[in-house]
Amino acid sequence: AQSVTQLDSQVPVFEEAPVELRCNYSSSVSVYLFWYVQYPNQGLQLLLKYLSGSTLVKGINGFEAEFNKSQTSFHLRKPSVHISDTAEYFCAVIAPGWETSGSRLTFGEGTQLTVNP
Amino acid sequence: ETGVTQSPTHLIKTRGQQVTLRCSSQSGHNTVSWYQQALGQGPQFIFQYYREEENGRGNFPPRFSGLQFPNYSSELNVNALELDDSALYLCASSAQAGVTDTQYFGPGTRLTVL
Repeated sequence: AQSVTQLDSQVPVFEEAPVELRCNYSSSVSVYLFWYVQYPNQGLQLLLKYLSGSTLVKGINGFEAEFNKSQTSFHLRKPSVHISDTAEYFCAVIAPGWETSGSRLTFGEGTQLTVNP
Repeated sequence: ETGVTQSPTHLIKTRGQQVTLRCSSQSGHNTVSWYQQALGQGPQFIFQYYREEENGRGNFPPRFSGLQFPNYSSELNVNALELDDSALYLCASSAQAGVTDTQYFGPGTRLTVL
């Protein structure tokens, strides 16, 4: 079974500082990778996704992520955060076999990013 | 264009009761997925419906069941509620059931089982 590990449950940073949220996945085959953001009392919103091609993926709100197959990682980065980036961030994968098992997202436990003034 | 909507927003039930949660998919989408998000955890896949047929199921017991209607809206039914069923239930719709089709999430239904 596929699994996703988000290495930090909480990440506090100051406004305008850079941030990296770490995500590792377990798989011996190719997977498709996603980052979602969840603001308080809201559903999840897709930030970016990696399906194939360039390993550096750019998303919305200035976020980007780099797929590293050898390290099975997909870390999320932003060079300068804002107060409004405070939210829960989830890394997710879709595993091979989705054609018959449904395109199910397997999520990590989440990382709470708190941006302080 | 209307996004994914869910009803009700909040629900309180007692152990042993049954509950029905509803989801209206985004216009033009034929696929709906349901997830359970317990407090402090990531969402867990319950099942997916594609063109009114179940298209994959997660590790949930049979008392979790669903339906998708011809307009592609969907229901999640949970029988014999248990305390551990307390969670945020998220519905996501996508244009198709493929891996390249982004899943758009609704705001969720918060279920509390007493």
